[in-house]
Amino acid sequence: EADIYQTPRYLVIGTGKKITLECSQTMGHDKMYWYQQDPGMELHLIHYSYGVNSTEKGDLSSESTVSRIRTEHFPLTLESARPSHTSQYLCASSLSSYNEQFFGPGTRLTVL
Amino acid sequence: AQKVTQAQTEISVVEKEDVTLDCVYETRDTTYYLFWYKQPPSGELVFLIRRNSFDEQNEISGRYSWNFQKSTSSFNFTITASQVVDSAVYFCALSDAITSGTYKYIFGTGTRLKVLA
Repeated sequence: EADIYQTPRYLVIGTGKKITLECSQTMGHDKMYWYQQDPGMELHLIHYSYGVNSTEKGDLSSESTVSRIRTEHFPLTLESARPSHTSQYLCASSLSSYNEQFFGPGTRLTVL
Repeated sequence: AQKVTQAQTEISVVEKEDVTLDCVYETRDTTYYLFWYKQPPSGELVFLIRRNSFDEQNEISGRYSWNFQKSTSSFNFTITASQVVDSAVYFCALSDAITSGTYKYIFGTGTRLKVLA
């Protein structure tokens, strides 16, 4: 049973605000990922982590940052949100890089 | 080069029709893994199947079946007797080694399936 959680599910904020999107998993997976996706469109990898204290930027350049202090927790932070950040953000985890990824429900972010 | 191509952007079928979603991949590795995911309108991606490069057996799960052909680098997905609940975006994905012990995971651009009642 996949258990990966994201909060908030929906967020509407004004330009310039700092936000943190939370992602937690209870499966003990080392690998975690953040994707940015316009609804139903292509998935863009923006950050990933292979374990505690390991973070890497993905294929799509992003102004967000991530941290991995605990295995189960992989938060994403935007220091100053802009309308161009409006999108859906999906968090995922996997046992290894060649296993299936389990996805959270996503956070739909709107920046006004 | 590592690449996944889902040439069908959108497919519409009438309920009870069979439909095949195409996935063509490129990899230099002999060991790699292929996946299919479903993303219904609710937005959450759901894992459907994983197949490794050494297992070319076709897989059937209820109305779903997958045809893996290394000769054509394809991993196609067929839904038999489609239902409205099958309406979703379907993503094919590939994981292969970019260095010894390091795998990279990439997704195709997705195929939107609309099943009409």
